[in-house]
This record gives sequence, C-alpha cells and structure tokens, in this order.
Amino acid sequence: EPEVTQTPSHQVTQMGQEVILRCVPISNHLYFYWYRQILGQKVEFLVSFYNNEISEKSEIFDDQFSVERPDGSNFTLKIRSTKLEDSAMYFCASNADTQYFGPGTRLTVL
Amino acid sequence: RKEVEQDPGPFNVPEGATVAFNCTYSNSASQSFFWYRQDCRKEPKLLMSVYSSGNEDGRFTAQLNRASQYISLLIRDSKLSDSATYLCVVNIAGGTSYGKLTFGQGTILTVHP
Repeated sequence: EPEVTQTPSHQVTQMGQEVILRCVPISNHLYFYWYRQILGQKVEFLVSFYNNEISEKSEIFDDQFSVERPDGSNFTLKIRSTKLEDSAMYFCASNADTQYFGPGTRLTVL
Repeated sequence: RKEVEQDPGPFNVPEGATVAFNCTYSNSASQSFFWYRQDCRKEPKLLMSVYSSGNEDGRFTAQLNRASQYISLLIRDSKLSDSATYLCVVNIAGGTSYGKLTFGQGTILTVHP
C-alpha cells in the first residue's frame, strides 16, 4: 500500500538554526499538507499546497516557515530560525480522496 | 468556543465492552467528517468517514447530526488493540476533503483484560 514517508524521524537543533523537514507524498496525489502536534496537544494545520503554490495557511505559518516542492517528488517544510516553541511532531499529509499522514518528524529545539 | 470539541476522557473499559465517543463542531459550513485514531507518538490514521445517514464498519458505527452539529462513534465488543486516542476531525472545504482538517483534542481509550 502506498505511504507518505518523512525524513528524518527525529531532528534536534539549536534555537535560531534553520531546519528542513522532508516528505515524499503518495505519488499520484496532488494536494499536500503540513500539520504539527505539540506534545499533549491537538493536531494543528499549518499549510496546504496545490499546483506548486500555497492554497491555505494558518496563523502559525508565519514568515519563518516556507514550503517547497523542489523536484516533483519531495515536499519540504523549512523553518528559518527555530524557536523553543517550534518543538513538536510535524506531520506531512497528501490527499486524493482522503488525507493520509506520514509517520512524522519529531523536532526538538534546544 | 472550540472548533471541534470532544469528550475529554480517558475511557477505561474492559474487553468486550461497548463505548461511545461524542464530538461537537462549531462551524456549520463544515462538510466532511471523520474519525481518526492515533496511537502513542504515531501519526493519525483514518478510522472512518462519517455520513449523515450513519455508517458502520464492523464493530464501529459513526453517526452525524448536522442540525445539532454533533458526531458520535460507537465501538462494540472492544478489543485490547482498540486502545488509542480517537480524534474527531472536520473539514470545511465544500464537498471534498481537499481543505484543511480541523482536529479535536482527542479522547483516550484504554481497553483492559
């Protein structure tokens, strides 16, 4: 069964550093998403992406965040200057008729 | 008011029990409704979509009441493997699930022997 994959599974970084989280959506899907889940809290929408552009973003997705589909396969989330409060699980999802989630990247900002 | 509100739980039930979860949503423009399940430190996985007519998948039955903006999930004959967090999820995009998903806080279920 096709799956959404994400790398790395765990990323540790220093506050102020840039991180790039990577996702490979299911191959025939056209809609892509990033969500995050702070430990003990609910899953929150960050951004959706379709036809090589952002279709919707949340208040969380400020100027420190960006997304890109650099090569028609990968879908990346970049955080330019990480803060302590960016520590969370980041889930990528892709959609044909249902949103399928990747296993997540646990980001720890020290 | 929270966009999607669920029973806080946790629910601790014996194997074989029937358990029901409730959820309310605030946006009347919501179009698609789902129950996802999330195991500890794992990704959300779709359990079932929820339709106005109600739908059943094995031991799981989901109901939607648009007038009351209320969604429910019933699990019959609980198994140890049903232990997880159950997430009520709503999508506002018209007619499809292409828009963002809005999640409830989740209800923790523990099924014990």
